[in-house]
Amino acid sequence: KNEVEQSPQNLTAQEGEFITINCSYSVGISALHWLQQHPGGGIVSLFMLSSGKKKHGRLIATINIQEKHSSLHITASHPRDSAVYICAATPITGNQFYFGTGTSLTVIP
Amino acid sequence: DAGVTQSPTHLIKTRGQQVTLRCSPISGHKSVSWYQQVLGQGPQFIFQYYEKEERGRGNFPDRFSARQFPNYSSELNVNALLLGDSALYLCASSYQGGGIGRTEAFFGQGTRLTVV
Repeated sequence: KNEVEQSPQNLTAQEGEFITINCSYSVGISALHWLQQHPGGGIVSLFMLSSGKKKHGRLIATINIQEKHSSLHITASHPRDSAVYICAATPITGNQFYFGTGTSLTVIP
Repeated sequence: DAGVTQSPTHLIKTRGQQVTLRCSPISGHKSVSWYQQVLGQGPQFIFQYYEKEERGRGNFPDRFSARQFPNYSSELNVNALLLGDSALYLCASSYQGGGIGRTEAFFGQGTRLTVV
């Protein structure tokens, strides 16, 4: 069993739709990261969370430490949001990320 | 300021050969981590280095080794390549070493290795 599970694996949305990607983790964490990976491989860090909620433009990330669950929301989705979104957790002990398998998002015009 | 740079971007090797991948972290960052991402899967942790010392190692065979230089750049070496080593190899840098995930990490574009 992976330490970090994401859902859904694949997501197709119409432009303008509200999108939610979910992440559950099984280890105690010091931080939870949301990452974006475009075709070709490069990864960009979107958010780092240890509690509560963060917002950046149309992106919102929330975390519930008690439930070990985080969500990434995209409001007014746009085709340029099409990418793989990866949830990554840093355990309280250890110097690495545990990555989810990613959610492949396609936004159709 | 340049981001994390990795070289080469693409590489094709034959089974049994050896490969060296390189990573230059963001200026001022002292921690470098290496990850392997097989197609369709999330990245898997290989190594973390901080201040030229290994601080973490993932579940990879001894064919995988790495080092960090005084300028904080890093090399990942893989010996006796297998077909299953074909993957995207990602390097991430961060300022602190005591838990790379505790500070924001910056990723390179990756090196895509194909073993034939």
